Amino acid sequence: DAGITQSPRHKVTETGTPVTLRCHQTENHRYMYWYRQDPGHGLRLIHYSYGVKDTDKGEVSDGYSVSRSKTEDFLLTLESATSSQTSVYFCATHSTDSYEQYFGPGTRLTVT
Amino acid sequence: GIQVEQSPPDLILQEGANSTLRCNFSDSVNNLQWFHQNPWGQLINLFYIPSGTKQNGRLSATTVATERYSLLYISSSQTTDSGVYFCAVGLGQNFVFGPGTRLSVLP
Repeated sequence: DAGITQSPRHKVTETGTPVTLRCHQTENHRYMYWYRQDPGHGLRLIHYSYGVKDTDKGEVSDGYSVSRSKTEDFLLTLESATSSQTSVYFCATHSTDSYEQYFGPGTRLTVT
Repeated sequence: GIQVEQSPPDLILQEGANSTLRCNFSDSVNNLQWFHQNPWGQLINLFYIPSGTKQNGRLSATTVATERYSLLYISSSQTTDSGVYFCAVGLGQNFVFGPGTRLSVLP
């Protein structure tokens, strides 16, 4: 499996504060993804990246921004967190050779 | 967008039983994967199978792309198979997950 880590693993923050989640991979995979998982909705794509500085929106991108300045790091930012963004956030990657996605351990974010 | 349905939503089995999970999707895709989310939340890729049949130990999967469905077979189930099984489909990078099948394997 790809070496994918996410930080922090747990975070509690207040409404209106900015939050940045980090995904780090050691496999040199070109493609990286951010998903959120909520009860009743399964996993939904927020943003993805197809290379350094190349990103695109997914199904639920409103309220989120991303950045990828290095192959190994993909950052997800909530500029002003809201309670509706309380969720578990997963990062995933895959190589150019295959669509097989490998997931990080997830970050549980609570916005109070 | 693409719609994905999975059935059954919940399944309870005795250890040693076999099961079949189904994934239906609404449009042509070139990317279909099955994942297992264990009780601790970790997502594991089981198969990348946009068409055809694959086997890995007690698990196998078949996708009939022309009829827009995929099946995941679990034979001789074990308690460690418990968790949620997701089918995910897409065209390229835009990837849609189904709602999942929650499997409980009882000892």
